[in-house]
Amino acid sequence: GENVEQHPSTLSVQEGDSAVIKCTYSDSASNYFPWYKQELGKRPQLIIDIRSNVGEKKDQRIAVTLNKTAKHFSLHITETQPEDSAVYFCAATGYSTLTFGKGTMLLVSP
Amino acid sequence: NAGVTQTPKFQVLKTGQSMTLQCAQDMNHEYMSWYRQDPGMGLRLIHYSVGAGITDQGEVPNGYNVSRSTTEDFPLRLLSAAPSQTSVYFCASSLGGSNNEQFFGPGTRLTVL
Repeated sequence: GENVEQHPSTLSVQEGDSAVIKCTYSDSASNYFPWYKQELGKRPQLIIDIRSNVGEKKDQRIAVTLNKTAKHFSLHITETQPEDSAVYFCAATGYSTLTFGKGTMLLVSP
Repeated sequence: NAGVTQTPKFQVLKTGQSMTLQCAQDMNHEYMSWYRQDPGMGLRLIHYSVGAGITDQGEVPNGYNVSRSTTEDFPLRLLSAAPSQTSVYFCASSLGGSNNEQFFGPGTRLTVL
């Protein structure tokens, strides 16, 4: 089955800095790679996703890149703000179910 | 649309008790899944369904049963609760096929004493 590794497990940045979270996956058949943000006590919410026929996707301050050859994908957040503080999860799937990474706790200090 | 709903929000059980966590969605999604979330472990798949009458095991199925008699409902049954099942449980649904975006319910926080 699919295995997703996520790094780092915690990330502290100053407001205005950029943050990068990296994930690797094992199944070359995976073709959909979403990123979820989870605030304390809340459900995971999709913030951006990318499919395997695309190398990069941007949505305002958030971008995701995908390298299919190396089987890794990354989340980039620019101009971080305190409200970006949360746990971020990457995931991968080729079919019906998602395999999640273990999460990255992002702390943005004012 | 209510989206994905889960009941109860909180539950405390004693070891050996059984219970059912309810999940429903009103988006006519074919695919539904149950995950458990433990600190530092991410979200792990328990069971999933790709349509009414069809279920399959995920990564951590032991101690749990599911059924899918309708498209809307996907209950998760704990047969004999154990302290190791203390966790937050999330139900999720998606259209399926090439549309994999999963929508999560609000979660059920379960404590087994």
